[in-house]
Amino acid sequence: GAVVSQHPSRVICKSGTSVKIECRSLDFQATTMFWYRQFPKKSLMLMATSNEGSKATYEQGVEKDKFLINHASLTLSTLTVTSAHPEDSSFYICSARDAGDGYTFGSGTRLTVV
Amino acid sequence: GQNIDQPTEMTATEGAIVQINCTYQTSGFNGLFWYQQHAGEAPTFLSYNVLDGLEEKGRFSSFLSRSKGYSYLLLKELQMKDSASYLCADTGGFKTIFGAGTRLFVKA
Repeated sequence: GAVVSQHPSRVICKSGTSVKIECRSLDFQATTMFWYRQFPKKSLMLMATSNEGSKATYEQGVEKDKFLINHASLTLSTLTVTSAHPEDSSFYICSARDAGDGYTFGSGTRLTVV
Repeated sequence: GQNIDQPTEMTATEGAIVQINCTYQTSGFNGLFWYQQHAGEAPTFLSYNVLDGLEEKGRFSSFLSRSKGYSYLLLKELQMKDSASYLCADTGGFKTIFGAGTRLFVKA
């Protein structure tokens, strides 16, 4: 089945630094990937839609300069959290539409900013 | 816009049947998904309905009524491992938007 590899799975960084999260579609091409954020016991909130070769589309309220998305190839999308602060601590998950009917999710990245 | 409602929590007994409802209001509806998510993990795909009716997959079934903007997920022969959050998600305008999720507690 379709697999989306996401890493790192966990990262702890200091306040003010930047963190890059990668998502790769391993056995299919993902023209579009979606980035979600999830707070504890809350649902997934769509942050942005990442399109290969073009600018990402951000949801209302999401700072594009803070959450930089790059989709340089059909199999790789990255999310960079710039100048991270403790309030950015969260669970970040990517997903891509696979060849079947569903969306395949990455395994998620637990970001803790200290 | 998109608005999805589902109950916050449900409790059921091992071996029983539970139905989790979801109502949605969306423009450009393009299908209704159900996902299971255990704490700290990514969601896993359960079902996808785009036409009215019932889709059955083993212990899990999902129903859709497009005219009513309504779906449900039916879990049969509940097992303890079914304790998880169940997310209803609809696709409208090419985006998948998730409901808040229903936390299901299965008790012995």
